[in-house]
Amino acid sequence: GENVEQHPSTLSVQEGDSAVIKCTYSDSASNYFPWYKQELGKGPQLIIDIRSNVGEKKDQRIAVTLNKTAKHFSLHITETQPEDSAVYFCAAAMYSGGGADGLTFGKGTHLIIQP
Amino acid sequence: DSGVTQTPKHLITATGQRVTLRCSPRSGDLSVYWYQQSLDQGLQFLIQYYNGEERAKGNILERFSAQQFPDLHSELNLSSLELGDSALYFCASSVGGFLNTEAFFGQGTRLTVV
Repeated sequence: GENVEQHPSTLSVQEGDSAVIKCTYSDSASNYFPWYKQELGKGPQLIIDIRSNVGEKKDQRIAVTLNKTAKHFSLHITETQPEDSAVYFCAAAMYSGGGADGLTFGKGTHLIIQP
Repeated sequence: DSGVTQTPKHLITATGQRVTLRCSPRSGDLSVYWYQQSLDQGLQFLIQYYNGEERAKGNILERFSAQQFPDLHSELNLSSLELGDSALYFCASSVGGFLNTEAFFGQGTRLTVV
């Protein structure tokens, strides 16, 4: 089955700086890579995703890059703000026209934004 | 608010007991997924239902079972509970199908087995 490795487990950055979280996956059949943000006491919230036919996707201060050859993808957050502090999870899945398998998640990165 | 509703929010029960967790998906979503989140295992996919039928199975124990009803709500049944089953259980839903694959998570049910 799929295996997703995520690092670092904890990342502390100064407010206004950029943060980068990296993930690798094992199954070359995976074609969907979402990122989730989880705040304390809440469920994971989808913040951005990318499909295997795209190399990069951006949404305001958040961007995701995908390298299919190396089987790794990264989350980039620019101009970090205090409200970005949370646990971030990467995930991978293989979707076909008939439906979807469950997501395989990384272990999570605790992002701390220092004022 | 993701639109996915889970009840109850908290559940405390004794070892050996059986509990049922309930999930109402977002309006229009046909797929329901169940996940377990624990400190040591992280977020683990348990099972998926699509329009009433089991679609995919993950790391779900034989003591656990789920179903999706005609109105598309889903229930996760956990039996012969052990201390190690204490975790957050999340339900997620999506429209299903390749073009609409985003999964939205509920707030979770925190299960404590004592």
